[in-house]
Amino acid sequence: DTEVTQTPKHLVMGMTNKKSLKCEQHMGHRAMYWYKQKAKKPPELMFVYSYEKLSINESVPSRFSPECPNSSLLNLHLHALQPEDSALYLCASSQDRLRQEGYTFGSGTRLTVV
Amino acid sequence: AQSVTQLGSHVSVSEGALVLLRCNYSSSVPPYLFWYVQYPNQGLQLLLKYTSAATLVKGINGFEAEFKKSETSFHLTKPSAHMSDAAEYFCAVSDIANAGKSTFGDGTTLTVKP
Repeated sequence: DTEVTQTPKHLVMGMTNKKSLKCEQHMGHRAMYWYKQKAKKPPELMFVYSYEKLSINESVPSRFSPECPNSSLLNLHLHALQPEDSALYLCASSQDRLRQEGYTFGSGTRLTVV
Repeated sequence: AQSVTQLGSHVSVSEGALVLLRCNYSSSVPPYLFWYVQYPNQGLQLLLKYTSAATLVKGINGFEAEFKKSETSFHLTKPSAHMSDAAEYFCAVSDIANAGKSTFGDGTTLTVKP
């Protein structure tokens, strides 16, 4: 299995809702990432997990809460989002945070906040 | 600090013509360099990577890139463009000094004309 699987593919949520994005990989990768991508822009790093521990938080607002239940799963919990949070949310993984092999990305979750 | 500059936000070529997408980087330590491709409504896919081995790197779909330290460049080329190459291309740099984080360029949109 050489894929990163993200669910759901599309999500529409109100500003008072709570929802979660899920990411799964079975490549034995020990680093997992959340990126946010706005239209026509490069991905922006949000969080990095290394060996199931949060190692980097790029000053992301607390309405985004990551979780890594085990080495294969990564969640992003969403609460009280704003319309400007609408974007493509990408999950990625790599063998190790410091081994520069490049990332495997999922297809993303297209989030719309109304 | 590491950074990447992609020269030309839009590149248009005819089918069968040479593809050249430009990337210049800045890094305080030896860099690791990557090219990713993103098709509409998809995640990013790793095309190729430079990790301090051979300076001419071959990737998937007939793409290759050459690392030139003296020019701090890592341009992406393909001898003959196909219609299916139309996509967004991102150059990225990472290094150990930045905890392995990748910094992405702003992207280049490649259009292939029939």
